[in-house]
Amino acid sequence: GQQLNQSPQSMFIQEGEDVSMNCTSSSIFNTWLWYKQDPGEGPVLLIALYKAGELTSNGRLTAQFGTTRKDSFLNISASIPSDVGIYFCAGLNTGTASKLTFGTGTRLQVTL
Amino acid sequence: EPEVTQTPSHQVTQMGQEVILRCVPISNHLYFYWYRQILGQKVEFLVSFYNNEISEKSEIFDDQFSVERPDGSNFTLKIRSTKLEDSAMYFCASSELEQTGYTFGSGTRLTVV
Repeated sequence: GQQLNQSPQSMFIQEGEDVSMNCTSSSIFNTWLWYKQDPGEGPVLLIALYKAGELTSNGRLTAQFGTTRKDSFLNISASIPSDVGIYFCAGLNTGTASKLTFGTGTRLQVTL
Repeated sequence: EPEVTQTPSHQVTQMGQEVILRCVPISNHLYFYWYRQILGQKVEFLVSFYNNEISEKSEIFDDQFSVERPDGSNFTLKIRSTKLEDSAMYFCASSELEQTGYTFGSGTRLTVV
């Protein structure tokens, strides 16, 4: 089946630092999504990318849809304590009631 | 902002018992999904539902699982005879279109003892 690998698995950074994480797939996706999950909560959508090469920002977050359609990147600038959580990429292909394939997750810890 | 609502938030059940997890998707959404997340692992797709029927299901979604939309607002996941390995967070999601507005609920933590 389709596999999405995220790196790094975890990161410890200081408040104010920038963060970069990426997601690579064994197969092509038409849509890439980035979610954040807090403990005991469901994933919350951060950014959606619909076109290869697309670069999209949402506040301090910027994500890119790789040109090969097999990868995506998420950057967080000037991290703050509430950025703590697990970040998941997810790939989606068009079809009736399309399913999401989630990545393995990147756990982010922010220290003051 | 519209939400996907799941109940209960936590359910403990004995092995072999039946459980029903309930979800109220966002009202104008047409596509409904169940996912699960075993503690510490990634979120995994179980089943998608559109136009009152299952569109796709994963290999996890075996004969012990079923879904239903009993009325215009609820979407349920039933596990007929729970096993220890069914312990996980179960997330309901809904989307307006296939690719947009994909929103998750807060989940039901199922513990099978």
